[in-house]
Amino acid sequence: GNSVTQMEGPVTLSEEAFLTINCTYTATGYPSLFWYVQYPGEGLQLLLKATKADDKGSNKGFEATYRKETTSFHLEKGSVQVSDSAVYFCALPASNTGKLIFGQGTTLQVKP
Amino acid sequence: NAGVMQNPRHLVRRRGQEARLRCSPMKGHSHVYWYRQLPEEGLKFMVYLQKENIIDESGMPKERFSAEFPKEGPSILRIQQVVRGDSAAYFCASSDRENTEAFFGQGTRLTVV
Repeated sequence: GNSVTQMEGPVTLSEEAFLTINCTYTATGYPSLFWYVQYPGEGLQLLLKATKADDKGSNKGFEATYRKETTSFHLEKGSVQVSDSAVYFCALPASNTGKLIFGQGTTLQVKP
Repeated sequence: NAGVMQNPRHLVRRRGQEARLRCSPMKGHSHVYWYRQLPEEGLKFMVYLQKENIIDESGMPKERFSAEFPKEGPSILRIQQVVRGDSAAYFCASSDRENTEAFFGQGTRLTVV
């Protein structure tokens, strides 16, 4: 079935640094791909999505490109802020029932 | 347009009691998903329901846990005879169809004492 793997965390960066969080997937066909963000004490929020190969999702300065050649959907941001400190989850639908499957999450800490 | 509403936000139960967690999906959404998150861990899928039907319960423990999503009213996740290991954050999400993004509630943080 479909699955997703994220890079291990935590990731610690200084403010204004470049961010990459790696996500690779295994899937039947070309399902939509998602990035979610979870701030402390809150639920998950959809950050961005891509619905087909070569699509680029973007939101709040974050970007991710759906790459079928490398089966990847890496999250990037050119200049992180302290307020970006959170846990980031990569996700895709399961192949059988359509529920969302999540990666293990990557904690990002941005220091001033 | 109200988002996914979960209540209560915090719930404390003694060992052996029952916990009932409620989730009202976004308006127009008929697909509901429950996930559990332990401290410093990722999300673990529990169950996927559509109105009056359980679609996928592959993540539900075989005993003490049950879920429903009636024709009218919120979805309920019920945990009977709670144990300390049930302490976690329980998140509900909803969508208007399968294979698409789901929107999450703020979660219910269950503490078993």
